[in-house]
Amino acid sequence: DAGVIQSPRHEVTEMGQEVTLRCKPISGHDYLFWYRQTMMRGLELLIYFNNNVPIDDSGMPEDRFSAKMPNASFSTLKIQPSEPRDSAVYFCASSPRFGTDTQYFGPGTRLTVL
Amino acid sequence: AQSVAQPEDQVNVAEGNPLTVKCTYSVSGNPYLFWYVQYPNRGLQFLLKYITGDNLVKGSYGFEAEFNKSQTSFHLKKPSALVSDSALYFCAVSLNTGTASKLTFGTGTRLQVTL
Repeated sequence: DAGVIQSPRHEVTEMGQEVTLRCKPISGHDYLFWYRQTMMRGLELLIYFNNNVPIDDSGMPEDRFSAKMPNASFSTLKIQPSEPRDSAVYFCASSPRFGTDTQYFGPGTRLTVL
Repeated sequence: AQSVAQPEDQVNVAEGNPLTVKCTYSVSGNPYLFWYVQYPNRGLQFLLKYITGDNLVKGSYGFEAEFNKSQTSFHLKKPSALVSDSALYFCAVSLNTGTASKLTFGTGTRLQVTL
């Protein structure tokens, strides 16, 4: 298996622009997670899905952030409009089940908002 | 609420010496505990986990961790460090309730192994 795939790997945009990050989880994994990593706040869980349904989005910082999972093999995280404070590395992870199961992380998308 | 503390921002050790990266946790119930490693410009990689049973857990690359319920700790250890072990290490906890529970990560400890 190719593992969790994220695109793009790097994104540089200007404040106010829309940004879309993409994730393809490992086939057969029922859970998908979006995390954000910054020096100041560490690794934060933004939202997670079970069988394509959003379960907990309490970590989404504000309404400018939205996430979708239209099918079992694809998810997006959208920021509209983007702000400089959104600059971070965004990780997607997937796991077969919850609780005991290992989460497998993608390589991340480094977002820079100018 | 559940939380994880990694009290050391950085740990320095010479190659060949034993290493310990500390982790303590707080949950209202029985925990699932994990260690992940992050190399530069990479995603997190799973090292090992404690679910139940033997308190000493062995994982990838010669790492092990001991679950200590009385001290609420899950320290990561390796008998002989390698330069290639230099990376950022994260401890994480989730709550063992039989239902969905979020994974909470610590702030990370940077391990620097020198020759």
